[in-house]
Amino acid sequence: SAVISQKPSRDICQRGTSLTIQCQVDSQVTMMFWYRQQPGQSLTLIATANQGSEATYESGFVIDKFPISRPNLTFSTLTVSNMSPEDSSIYLCSVWGSTGELFFGEGSRLTVL
Amino acid sequence: AQTVTQSQPEMSVQEAETVTLSCTYDTSENNYYLFWYKQPPSRQMILVIRQEAYKQQNATENRFSVNFQKAAKSFSLKISDSQLGDTAMYFCASDAGGTSYGKLTFGQGTILTVHP
Repeated sequence: SAVISQKPSRDICQRGTSLTIQCQVDSQVTMMFWYRQQPGQSLTLIATANQGSEATYESGFVIDKFPISRPNLTFSTLTVSNMSPEDSSIYLCSVWGSTGELFFGEGSRLTVL
Repeated sequence: AQTVTQSQPEMSVQEAETVTLSCTYDTSENNYYLFWYKQPPSRQMILVIRQEAYKQQNATENRFSVNFQKAAKSFSLKISDSQLGDTAMYFCASDAGGTSYGKLTFGQGTILTVHP
């Protein structure tokens, strides 16, 4: 199993500002994944964070809006840039375990006013 | 593109009874994983059960079991002896197959309420 810690747990932000979410894993992993869960909705993959290379973004998500860093095998950050109320969501960090399952952090709940 | 469909937005069941949550999916892959995740109000995503598509035998995990129909692309979850702690949002998900580990497509979710 993997223990994943995310910061902040929740935040309230002003329109036009940016926020960086941190994700720390208790073991080294090759790939980390960032998902978004909009209010009352399902989870959608934003991007895959690869150590030592650029993140890979899914359709509909761009690096300028969601820049990602992956400085080492246990840590990643996701920035939500120039926020608008539509960015109000839960952002979840996850890793793929050797047992063949996706482990999730507790999520970061962002509210944009 | 993969799709996962959960046709039951909400379900309810009495404590100690059995409930089945439905899920259908569409994929062009032959080898893939299917999952049921539970999200209680605390919002922590918890794996309930996992099925590997190449295995014909249905996965079971204590009170949780699946009915996996590969040809029909159906993957339902049965919860036996329902408990109050089972109250949560349940998501069905599939991965993209091949080497796309971790890239899951989720269904819209089913809110399950267990009544005492």
